[in-house]
Amino acid sequence: EIVMTQSPATLSVSPGERATLSCRASQSVSNNLAWYQQKPGQAPRLLISGASTRATGIPARFSGSGSGTEFTLTISSLQSEDFAVYYCQHYNNWPRTFGQGTKVEIK
Amino acid sequence: EVQLVESGGGLVQPGGSLRLSCAASGFTFSSYAMSWVRQTPGKGLEWVSVISASGDITYYPDSVRGRFTISRDSSRNTLYLQMNSLRAEDTAIYYCVKTLTTYWNDAFDVWGQGTMVTVSS
Repeated sequence: EIVMTQSPATLSVSPGERATLSCRASQSVSNNLAWYQQKPGQAPRLLISGASTRATGIPARFSGSGSGTEFTLTISSLQSEDFAVYYCQHYNNWPRTFGQGTKVEIK
Repeated sequence: EVQLVESGGGLVQPGGSLRLSCAASGFTFSSYAMSWVRQTPGKGLEWVSVISASGDITYYPDSVRGRFTISRDSSRNTLYLQMNSLRAEDTAIYYCVKTLTTYWNDAFDVWGQGTMVTVSS
């Protein structure tokens, strides 16, 4: 089973600032990596697939990068609606596994 | 509008059974692999099963293999999860999820609202 490790667990950021979230896989997942956003009381929402492709309707301030075992989600200028928990997930093989999440909170 | 609506959750005793359903609409259900993903405060998000578009291939993680069975009825556009021998650690919100493309090695692009399963005596 591939273990996905996210850091930091919590990121305190002021509105308008850049946020950089990291995700590491215990073995290579190529570019088979997705990022999701989850707000309280809601289901996760797909942001990024293929490590760097934004999903339909996702603003350009969200970008993903990386391949193999190291991945990054960057939010270029945080808006109020971006404060949430972010998860990475690989889909390179079975079982699919998720990271434990990074909470982006208002500084 | 693409939509997934789960039902069937509830309170069940340890060792009991429950069947979850997921009604799909707004897309060609029979063309996409479908999965169930659960979420607990302690363990976060955990994928618990997948079924191919044709319904002939399924996979499970070790934590539920032999106890859970995923199935689909494309004539009813409905996904199912039969859960047997339930344990306290199966307590979670269960989400029905759709694969992004018809290639089943892909991300999950549509999630239902979730249904709560509580295993307790």
